[in-house]
Amino acid sequence: DIQMTQSPSSLSASVGDRVTITCRASQGVSNDLAWFQQKPGKAPKSLIYAASSLRSGVPSKFSGSGSGTDFTLTISSLQPEDFATYYCQQYNTYPITFGQGTRLEIK
Amino acid sequence: EVQLVESGGGLVQPGGSLRLSCAASGFTFTDHYMDWVRQAPGKGLEWVGRARNKANSYTTEYAASVKGRFTISRDDSKNSLSLQMNNLKTEDTAVYYCARANYALDVWGKGTTVTVSS
Repeated sequence: DIQMTQSPSSLSASVGDRVTITCRASQGVSNDLAWFQQKPGKAPKSLIYAASSLRSGVPSKFSGSGSGTDFTLTISSLQPEDFATYYCQQYNTYPITFGQGTRLEIK
Repeated sequence: EVQLVESGGGLVQPGGSLRLSCAASGFTFTDHYMDWVRQAPGKGLEWVGRARNKANSYTTEYAASVKGRFTISRDDSKNSLSLQMNNLKTEDTAVYYCARANYALDVWGKGTTVTVSS
């Protein structure tokens, strides 16, 4: 199975900050990489697919990059509603696998 | 409005069975692969499995942790996805989400809770 490792596991930041979350795959997944945001008690929300393509309706302050094994999610100008847990997911190879999540907290 | 609504969750004893359903609306169900994803209490997301569409022979894929115990099926006439769960274990306790695959998962239901406990 392809292991997806996110770093950091948790992150404290302030409103207005720019943050970057990293996701590393144990083997290459091309650009078959997605990012999700999840708030407590809610279903995940799709943010990015194909490593860098923004889902319709998602603000442009979210951006993704990378290919192969190393990927990043960047969130610029953090707002209170952005504090949540973020997951990466590879869908290149079965079984589909998720990263362990990065919890973004308000400093 | 594109919508997925799960149902069928509940409390079941270890070794028991449960069938979850997901009702889809607002999109052409037959065009899409459909997945189940679960989340144990306080834990991360775990992919459970996938049902491909008719164009891909309704074939399925499963996570190793559920293979042989869980079966995913779909009824295109009812725009419905199902998850038959047999021989349930305490570690199957989770919120179960159905999700639409569209260049990765794009639409998720709100989930249904399954608790396996004696």
